[in-house]
Amino acid sequence: GAVVSQHPSWVICKSGTSVKIECRSLDFQATTMFWYRQFPKQSLMLMATSNEGSKATYEQGVEKDKFLINHASLTLSTLTVTSAHPEDSSFYICSAREETGYGYTFGSGTRLTVV
Amino acid sequence: DAKTTQPPSMDCAEGRAANLPCNHSTISGNEYVYWYRQIHSQGPQYIIHGLKNNETNEMASLIITEDRKSSTLILPHATLRDTAVYYCIAASGGYQKVTFGIGTKLQVIP
Repeated sequence: GAVVSQHPSWVICKSGTSVKIECRSLDFQATTMFWYRQFPKQSLMLMATSNEGSKATYEQGVEKDKFLINHASLTLSTLTVTSAHPEDSSFYICSAREETGYGYTFGSGTRLTVV
Repeated sequence: DAKTTQPPSMDCAEGRAANLPCNHSTISGNEYVYWYRQIHSQGPQYIIHGLKNNETNEMASLIITEDRKSSTLILPHATLRDTAVYYCIAASGGYQKVTFGIGTKLQVIP
């Protein structure tokens, strides 16, 4: 079945630095990918829709200048958390939909800790 | 996407069937019902989906009411590894964004 690889699985960074998270569709092309954030004991919250070759669409309340999304190819979307602060510490998950597949495939998630 | 409602938590004895309900009374005709589960600190895992007919695969069965306003996910013989949060989602085909409700935290008890 469709596989979405997310890297890194966890990262610790210092406050004020930037962190890049990669999301790759391994065996299919994904013109659209989605980025979610999940805080402890809460559900997944959609942050943005990543569109290949065009600007991402951000959900209300999500700062586009803080969470930079680049979808430069049909198999790769990246989320960069800029000037990270401790409140950005969270579990970040990406997903993609294969055109002929079964719904949406999710990455394994990235645990970001900002110290 | 249609809003779905699920009970926040359920318990099930190991080896018994786990029946997880989902209400999606505002689902539209072209929206599928998808079920995913999330084990702690992992990404959601696809379980099953359906449009109108009941569906079965190696993981579970999906029963959709005739009016499509609700559905039930059935895990026929729950194991401890089935302990997870289960999400029911109604979404159309294509590339529309998918939003998650709170899901049902299923605890399988030995």
